[in-house]
Amino acid sequence: AQSVTQLDSHVSVSEGTPVLLRCNYSSSYSPSLFWYVQHPNKGLQLLLKYTSAATLVKGINGFEAEFKKSETSFHLTKPSAHMSDAAEYFCAFNDMRFGAGTRLTVKP
Amino acid sequence: NAGVTQTPKFRILKIGQSMTLQCTQDMNHNYMYWYRQDPGMGLKLIYYSVGAGITDKGEVPNGYNVSRSTTEDFPLRLELAAPSQTSVYFCASSYSAGTGANVLTFGAGSRLTVL
Repeated sequence: AQSVTQLDSHVSVSEGTPVLLRCNYSSSYSPSLFWYVQHPNKGLQLLLKYTSAATLVKGINGFEAEFKKSETSFHLTKPSAHMSDAAEYFCAFNDMRFGAGTRLTVKP
Repeated sequence: NAGVTQTPKFRILKIGQSMTLQCTQDMNHNYMYWYRQDPGMGLKLIYYSVGAGITDKGEVPNGYNVSRSTTEDFPLRLELAAPSQTSVYFCASSYSAGTGANVLTFGAGSRLTVL
């Protein structure tokens, strides 16, 4: 069965430091993978998607993710966190099943 | 463009009552979805539709019903509300299920409380 697992329920970083949000997937075929962001009391918005083209995918707001087949991972990164990045982040599979989410807190 | 519109934004129900959450999209998307979001549980797919007249169950369909009479509308019905259905509900749509094309556009959510 296909699935995604987000390894951290909560990540806390200081403003200006790097962000790493981890997502592993399980699939018998090459998947499409997505990262979505949800700001408080809002719907979800697409950050980026992987569709078997380039393994390093750039998204909005300076986020990027790298698809690593050998590690079955699709981790989300950003070099320098901003206060406005505080939100919930969801990894999703192409059958539209979502991970449990990672809440990102950014400290001043 | 309005995108995906959900109504109502908030609703309090008594146990056993019924109600319909409305969802409309104006992007001519074929696929539509209903999710519920509970704290620490992420989003769980309730029902989805691949086109007018076609619906199918997701991960957590019990206690809900849907219909898709038009491309634009995908209402979610709760027949006998239970406290376990207290949640935030999101409607979403996408153009297709093809690889990479299945980017979801979400509504703003409907917060339902069953007392």
